[in-house]
Order: sequence, then structure tokens, then C-alpha cells
Amino acid sequence: GESVGLHLPTLSVQEGDNSIINCAYSNSASDYFIWYKQESGKGPQFIIDIRSNMDKRQGQRVTVLLNKTVKHLSLQIAATQPGDSAVYFCAESYTGGFKTIFGAGTRLFVKA
Amino acid sequence: DVKVTQSSRYLVKRTGEKVFLECVQDMDHENMFWYRQDPGLGLRLIYFSYDVKMKEKGDIPEGYSVSREKKERFSLILESASTNQTSMYLCASSPTDGSGYEQYFGPGTRLTVT
Repeated sequence: GESVGLHLPTLSVQEGDNSIINCAYSNSASDYFIWYKQESGKGPQFIIDIRSNMDKRQGQRVTVLLNKTVKHLSLQIAATQPGDSAVYFCAESYTGGFKTIFGAGTRLFVKA
Repeated sequence: DVKVTQSSRYLVKRTGEKVFLECVQDMDHENMFWYRQDPGLGLRLIYFSYDVKMKEKGDIPEGYSVSREKKERFSLILESASTNQTSMYLCASSPTDGSGYEQYFGPGTRLTVT
């Protein structure tokens, strides 16, 4: 996952702009990748996932890109809205989902 | 919708106390997980369970134990709470039907040990 540290990486974007949140994963054996969104006071919620045999997957206003060569994952949010303000975690999974490694998270601020 | 509930949102305990954190899921999921979340460290797995009465250690099991007597309920136990166990504790569940590995999280319990 993302590099571990005491301070969360932050991303500040203007409302209506596109956001790109990046994540470097660690295990070449990981075969499933997930993005979660955690709003203040809540548990993480699933946003979108992608399997290792794909390099791109699109959802509603979100796109996940996977580059296995450099072990990099990104989440793109189109037309970012104030409700998108949250902490975003990438997660990598293998062994049938019993082992999931979470990144440290990126805090997204959306400026009105 | 999957619902994962945790017994308390906030909990304050004294050093040395035995602490029980309860988690219940209503979607008949086989797998259940306990994580702790600390600023800048993401989620770290304490224990997980893939069936009733089955448990596996995660990355940071020291100082914790778990119990799963019923499929829907997974309990985390701090045998003797210490100040370094002050944290946010998140419970999660997931199915094993091959549809995906996403986990469904409860709202969390913020535990303070004084």
C-alpha cells in the first residue's frame, strides 16, 4: 500500500475538477484491488474494485487504473463534489480475500 | 444492504480492565475481521475468522483475543487493556461466494484507555 507515515497524504481539489488519488501496492501476488472511501465518523465503504487481469474499470464517476508493471493503482473521480471529501484507501488482496493489505489512506478535500 | 453493527461507538476504560468489543453482521457472511485504525497507519488486521469457532491471527494479535460462537457475531477481547491499545477498532465481514473480496465495515468503536 501507500508509504506508511504519521501524516496522511492530502489532496485538495476545486469542486467540479477531476481528482486522481494514487497508490503503490507491495505484493506481486495480489490479485484483487479495492478502493474504499471513509467519511468522518464512519467505517470504510467499498467504491470500486479491479482484478489483476484487468487494467481499467469504470464505475459511476470513478475509474480505477491498474499498472502491474510498476505496481501502481489509481482512483480517478470525475467532477469532484463536496460529498467526495473523505479519506480514500486502496487495498490489495490475495489468498481468496483472507489477506487484505490496506494503504495508509489519502485525505481528499473538495473546495467549493 | 449489508449491515455490520458494533456494540459501542465510544468506550473509555482503565488500564488493566478486560474489554469486550462486539460485532454483529446480518448478511450470513462467512468471514469476519477485526482491525485497528491509527492515524497515518491505515487499517491493521488483528484477527479474522472464516467460520464459527475458527480464528486466525492477523498482523498485530498481541494483547488481543477473539471469539466466534455464532456465525453472525465476532467478539474482540482485550484481556488487560493498556494505553497503547487506545485506537479506533473496526469490524468487517465478507462473503466467500467468489463475487469479490470487498469487506463491509461497521461504524467503528473509538476506545480510549486511561
